[in-house]
Amino acid sequence: QQQVKQSPQSLIVQKGGISIINCAYENTAFDYFPWYQQFPGKGPALLIAIRPDVSEKKEGRFTISFNKSAKQFSLHIMDSQPGDSATYFCAARIDSNYQLIWGAGTKLIIKP
Amino acid sequence: NAGVMQNPRHLVRRRGQEARLRCSPMKGHSHVYWYRQLPEEGLKFMVYLQKENIIDESGMPKERFSAEFPKEGPSILRIQQVVRGDSAAYFCASSPGVGYQGTQYFGPGTRLLVL
Repeated sequence: QQQVKQSPQSLIVQKGGISIINCAYENTAFDYFPWYQQFPGKGPALLIAIRPDVSEKKEGRFTISFNKSAKQFSLHIMDSQPGDSATYFCAARIDSNYQLIWGAGTKLIIKP
Repeated sequence: NAGVMQNPRHLVRRRGQEARLRCSPMKGHSHVYWYRQLPEEGLKFMVYLQKENIIDESGMPKERFSAEFPKEGPSILRIQQVVRGDSAAYFCASSPGVGYQGTQYFGPGTRLLVL
């Protein structure tokens, strides 16, 4: 199946808290999993990406956790800030291909 | 290094008119992708082009939509005889290659409104 299921649809987190967004996939041929951040009126910007040979990747306050057996991956935003308020998309791709398959997005609001 | 550029940023058309959306990829990128985004939804792949070639247009409606990436100049997404259902944000992305060279960088999008 070429779907990527993302949850939750929306998320409200207090400033300083941890934001967690989850994605699940079916196609075991996917081998590249990026997360994109999109602000209103802007294009998606690559935030962080992971390949299935590692279980976790951290860049600053952003961490991807990857569970190959469960076919799930998640984005964790530590010490969430109001500036992190945006829509986050997970995606997946077969590396020999080029089509990114996108999740439906999570609208994240960080309350001051 | 300038990012992916798209113009116009906003476009208003009446039903039956033509819409032309332009995309200039990042310098050094020869692969261009077009996506459509409806409100509150993820992006949907439309077409993938390299210079002078359409590689995959499987996500593009067969009628009224066309895309090109000429040897010189920007990539163009053309929508003929627009209908209200064409109202959406259209994003262009570019990459230097595919596979491990295939990280896609997105432009700011063109928001098309059909009256």
